[in-house]
Amino acid sequence: NAGVTQTPKFQVLKTGQSMTLQCAQDMNHNSMYWYRQDPGMGLRLIYYSASEGTTDKGEVPNGYNVSRLNKREFSLRLESAAPSQTSVYFCASSGVTGFYGYTFGSGTRLTVV
Amino acid sequence: DAKTTQPPSMDCAEGRAANLPCNHSTISGNEYVYWYRQIHSQGPQYIIHGLKNNETNEMASLIITEDRKSSTLILPHATLRDTAVYYCIVRVVRDSSYKLIFGSGTRLLVRP
Repeated sequence: NAGVTQTPKFQVLKTGQSMTLQCAQDMNHNSMYWYRQDPGMGLRLIYYSASEGTTDKGEVPNGYNVSRLNKREFSLRLESAAPSQTSVYFCASSGVTGFYGYTFGSGTRLTVV
Repeated sequence: DAKTTQPPSMDCAEGRAANLPCNHSTISGNEYVYWYRQIHSQGPQYIIHGLKNNETNEMASLIITEDRKSSTLILPHATLRDTAVYYCIVRVVRDSSYKLIFGSGTRLLVRP
C-alpha cells in the first residue's frame, strides 16, 4: 500500500517562480490536507479539502492555491514563490471524519532562493 | 479552539516508561485528544486518541484525567526508535470537516 504519495521530494526555486506540489492517496479517503513545517517548528495547516469538490483555508493560506482534482489527488500551487515559503510541505488524508487519524506523506522539501 | 501545552523536551532511559504530559484546560466536551509523533522530519505518525476513558493500543497508552483538562501519553518500554517529537492535539471541528492543529510538541530523547 502506497498510502500518501508526494512529488517531488526536493525542489529549489528562484524567487518569483511558480510550481505545483502534487499529492495522491490510494486509501479512498474523503479528506485531504496540506501542511507546512518550518525548521524547529510544528506543522501549520495551509489548506484542506473535506471532500471532493470543496476546499477551505487553514491557518496560513496566503501565497498558496489548491485544487482537489478528484478524490485521490490534491495539489498545492505557489504562484510566485518567496523565500518565506522555504519549508517542508506535508500532505495528509483521512476518512470522512478523520476519527481514526490522518495518514501523512513523506514531505516535499522546498527551498526558495 | 482548545489549545494544548506540552514541555518542549524530555528524556528517558531505554527500556523504561516514557510519560509525556499535555495540558488542554479549555477542551470542550466533544473534542478528542490525539497524539502523533514525528521521527526525524518524516511525516507525522498517528499514535492514539481518546475522549474521556483511558485507551491502550500496541504502541502506547493514553491516560485522560477525569476533568479532561490534561492527559498523559505512556510508552511502556521506550526504545531508541521512540526518539521523536510527540504532538498532543485537540481535534477541532469546522463545517463538518475535522482539522488537526499542531502545536510545537515535546522532543523526546531516549538514552541508551
